[in-house]
Amino acid sequence: AQSVTQLDSHVSVSEGTPVLLRCNYSSSYSPSLFWYVQHPNKGLQLLLKYTSAATLVKGINGFEAEFKKSETSFHLTKPSAHMSDAAEYFCVVSEWDDKIIFGKGTRLHILP
Amino acid sequence: DTAVSQTPKYLVTQMGNDKSIKCEQNLGHDTMYWYKQDSKKFLKIMFSYNNKELIINETVPNRFSPKSPDKAHLNLHINSLELGDSAVYFCASTPSVNSPLHFGNGTRLTVT
Repeated sequence: AQSVTQLDSHVSVSEGTPVLLRCNYSSSYSPSLFWYVQHPNKGLQLLLKYTSAATLVKGINGFEAEFKKSETSFHLTKPSAHMSDAAEYFCVVSEWDDKIIFGKGTRLHILP
Repeated sequence: DTAVSQTPKYLVTQMGNDKSIKCEQNLGHDTMYWYKQDSKKFLKIMFSYNNKELIINETVPNRFSPKSPDKAHLNLHINSLELGDSAVYFCASTPSVNSPLHFGNGTRLTVT
């Protein structure tokens, strides 16, 4: 059975500095992996997805994620944080059995 | 045009009442989900339907009953509401498990 672990419940970075949100997964098969963002009192929006093509995936708003099978990781990065990036971020794994499992989320705080 | 729409957006009710939340998607997707997001922002899958058939039913109290009259609709009926049912409920759809989820904007349920 698949699972997702987001290693940090809260991350704080200063505006203009790099962002790293960590995600590890476990999956019996070749998973599909996603990152979603949820701004306060809003629904969820897809940031990027990995579906067994290139291991470095580019998403919206300057975010990227790298799939590392050997480390079972799918960490989300951004070179320079912006105040508007403050939100909740979810790492998601899905497999052939139609289950789509969310991590517990990481709250990103941007310090001025 | 709204892709996944949920109604109502807010629902305030008393313990013991029965209420329904409706979800409709106009994307032609075969698979629809209900997720519950608690106060800690943790998203937990509740149900999944594929083309009107139930395919995932997590450990949800049987007071919760999903109904899918056609593949564009997945409604959630909750009997005998309890305080612990207070949460934000998200409907989502996807054409396949390897594709991104499209979320509704959520229904904030408050049970008093």
